[in-house]
Amino acid sequence: QVQLVESGGGVVQPGRSLRLSCAASGFTFSSYAIHWVRQAPGEGLEWVAVISYDGSVTYYSDSVKGRFTISRDISKNTLYLQMNSLRAEDTALYYCARVRVMGNHPGAFDIWGQGTMVTVSS
Amino acid sequence: EIVMTQSPATLSVSPGQRVTLSCRASQSVSSNLVWYQQKPGQAPRLLIYDASTRASGIPARFSGSGSGTEFTLTISSLQSEDFAVYYCQQYKNWWTFGQGTKVEIK
Repeated sequence: QVQLVESGGGVVQPGRSLRLSCAASGFTFSSYAIHWVRQAPGEGLEWVAVISYDGSVTYYSDSVKGRFTISRDISKNTLYLQMNSLRAEDTALYYCARVRVMGNHPGAFDIWGQGTMVTVSS
Repeated sequence: EIVMTQSPATLSVSPGQRVTLSCRASQSVSSNLVWYQQKPGQAPRLLIYDASTRASGIPARFSGSGSGTEFTLTISSLQSEDFAVYYCQQYKNWWTFGQGTKVEIK
């Protein structure tokens, strides 16, 4: 079935790096833009980054710009989030989410993974 | 940045009641508005997109309305499985979420 599965979370010290992965299955991965959205413990949802269906365009929230990099490997049907210079405020459950419409339509997120937890602590 | 404000923060209701949740945008988002439902320990679930279109598999008791800056999610008769947190999100200009409305059992 159509699904996204995140991995790569863990506990990391401030200033260190971590790479998250999001494995896609059940749909044509190369046809959809994919986002990362995070949720701090007990808090709401925060948009983090997006990559276009073909990987040519990326956007980031101001809170992660310059520290995080979103990328995708179409041959592996996998999305990545490289997180550098991590801070305590990056502690959150990180979700990948697919845009409902193929192409670069900036629409709703219809498929979400189960999330992977990142804890930044010394 | 477009700021999304949801009200109320918490709503205490009884099963069978009609529920209305509000979402306000700091500037017009046209109909580029989405509603999600999130239950504890689960990922968000798409309910409504383009302000008023139900997503696949969403029961008819859920409906969305509004355009511009004022939006509403209505649950016509609350079922036990509807107790959750509801988020609105705009995608007119980047992507921002409201802070959520928790619907709890009265």
